[in-house]
Amino acid sequence: DVKVTQSSRYLVKRTGEKVFLECVQDMDHENMFWYRQDPGLGLRLIYFSYDVKMKEKGDIPEGYSVSREKKERFSLILESASTNQTSMYLCASRGQTLAKNIQYFGAGTRLSVL
Amino acid sequence: GEDVEQSLFLSVREGDSSVINCTYTDSSSTYLYWYKQEPGAGLQLLTYIFSNMDMKQDQRLTVLLNKKDKHLSLRIADTQTGDSAIYFCAESRNNAGNMLTFGGGTRLMVKP
Repeated sequence: DVKVTQSSRYLVKRTGEKVFLECVQDMDHENMFWYRQDPGLGLRLIYFSYDVKMKEKGDIPEGYSVSREKKERFSLILESASTNQTSMYLCASRGQTLAKNIQYFGAGTRLSVL
Repeated sequence: GEDVEQSLFLSVREGDSSVINCTYTDSSSTYLYWYKQEPGAGLQLLTYIFSNMDMKQDQRLTVLLNKKDKHLSLRIADTQTGDSAIYFCAESRNNAGNMLTFGGGTRLMVKP
């Protein structure tokens, strides 16, 4: 069974803190993604990675960075958290077969920045 | 630019059919998707349709695609309370396939 695991379901951080959100997949997928989900806006792509140590900016990369040191793990980093980064963060992965582009999602991390 | 739009909310009675609509703008999309998000959970792929198809049926789910109008719909027959969730429409942006554009999601509420 396909599994994408996000390390935390809920996080509360203070403004200015450095925040790490971790995601692990066990499907040997090449591609991994970080989205944020806000009511009425759907999912917006922050960053994605198509291979170890490779990354590409998505639609809203400002204020975020990512790290992909191992194939199974993709980390989202908020260098200095701000209140407008309070959101639900979803990680996804996808295999190399392009035809169907099916992404598998983790359960999400709900981050509150106070 | 790419944009995918959905209505925010739909309420139906248990046993009725639900129809969730979506419009998209990228005519080069090869695949279109419906994802379901239950409370407190991530997104789960429900179904997808290739752009050269008009219709796809899978048990209680029927997907209709009108490529001329760039309109996608998801019909759920005999809607159950367990179908209450947020439903997202998504399109592939290009054949490289790394990016999906999601709609804002439609919250389906099923009343007993």
